[in-house]
Amino acid sequence: GDSVTQMEGPVTLSEEAFLTINCTYTATGYPSLFWYVQYPGEGLQLLLKATKADDKGSNKGFEATYRKETTSFHLEKGSVQVSDSAVYFCALSVLRRALTFGSGTRLQVQP
Amino acid sequence: DGGITQSPKYLFRKEGQNVTLSCEQNLNHDAMYWYRQDPGQGLRLIYYSQIVNDFQKGDIAEGYSVSREKKESFPLTVTSAQKNPTAFYLCASSIIVGEGTEAFFGQGTRLTVV
Repeated sequence: GDSVTQMEGPVTLSEEAFLTINCTYTATGYPSLFWYVQYPGEGLQLLLKATKADDKGSNKGFEATYRKETTSFHLEKGSVQVSDSAVYFCALSVLRRALTFGSGTRLQVQP
Repeated sequence: DGGITQSPKYLFRKEGQNVTLSCEQNLNHDAMYWYRQDPGQGLRLIYYSQIVNDFQKGDIAEGYSVSREKKESFPLTVTSAQKNPTAFYLCASSIIVGEGTEAFFGQGTRLTVV
């Protein structure tokens, strides 16, 4: 079946540090890939997505590139802020199936 | 404003009772979903519906039931058969299922069994 693996958290960084959160996937088919973000006590919001190989999704300074050869979709940001503290979920969808999520990675950014 | 509304935000249930969580959307989406979130386990799919009067089981459907009588509404009932119901429940919708479409989420309902 489909699955998503994310790096364990929490990830603790100082403000303005570089962020990478690793995400790899397995899928029966050609998936679309997503990053969602969850702030405390809230639902999830789409951060970015990519629907085909080599596409780069980007939003609010975050980026992720769809790498079919390594089945990866790592999330990066050049300079994190305290306001980026949240839980980040990598997810995939294949054909007409519902989203499959990773376990989430908590990011804590210290001033 | 368009969006997804879940109610209530917090819900307490006694053991052995059924309880229904509400989910309403005004985005005119055909597809709706229920996910369960437990600490450190990400989101797991309970049920989803592609169209009115149709729904499919997800990965953890045992102990849950749903209905889809209206396009806007997809209530989830947590039955007494669900052995460990304490969790955060998230409802979502999208234009269709899959095909790279974005899912929009509600604010969630935190259910606690007392």
